[in-house]
Amino acid sequence: DVKVTQSSRYLVKRTGEKVFLECVQDMDHENMFWYRQDPGLGLRLIYFSYDVKMKEKGDIPEGYSVSREKKERFSLILESASTNQTSMYLCASSSHQQYFGPGTRLTVT
Amino acid sequence: GEDVEQSLFLSVREGDSSVINCTYTDSSSTYLYWYKQEPGAGLQLLTYIFSNMDMKQDQRLTVLLNKKDKHLSLRIADTQTGDSAIYFCAETSTNRDDKIIFGKGTRLHILP
Repeated sequence: DVKVTQSSRYLVKRTGEKVFLECVQDMDHENMFWYRQDPGLGLRLIYFSYDVKMKEKGDIPEGYSVSREKKERFSLILESASTNQTSMYLCASSSHQQYFGPGTRLTVT
Repeated sequence: GEDVEQSLFLSVREGDSSVINCTYTDSSSTYLYWYKQEPGAGLQLLTYIFSNMDMKQDQRLTVLLNKKDKHLSLRIADTQTGDSAIYFCAETSTNRDDKIIFGKGTRLHILP
């Protein structure tokens, strides 16, 4: 059974904190993605990775960075969290279809 | 850039059919998808269709593709309360590897 897991379902952080969101997949997929989902805006691609140590900017990379040290793990990093980064964050991995994790709802206060 | 459009909200009476529509701009699309997101959950792939097909049926779900008009629809027969969710239309093409473009999602609301 296909599985994408995210480290937290809910997270509350303060402005200026460094935040790590972890995503792990067990399907040996090469491609992994981070999206944020906001009401009325749908899913917006932040970063994606085609292979270990490779990353590409998506549509809204500002304020974020990523790390892919191992094939199964793709981390999203908020270097200095801000209130406008309060959102639902979804990780996905793919062959030709994308499999999604359950999401992390991040609140920055 | 490429785009996927869908209406944001649909209200349907329980037992009726729901039809969710989507349009896209990329004429080289290869796969088109419908994802379902239930409250508090991630996205789950409901069904997909290859661009060389015009229809796919899977139990209560029927997907219709009009490639000429770049129009995709999802029909849910005998809509149930459990169908209440956000439905995302999405597409990809071979020249974009696995990068998928999503619509903003249609919230399906079921009336008793």
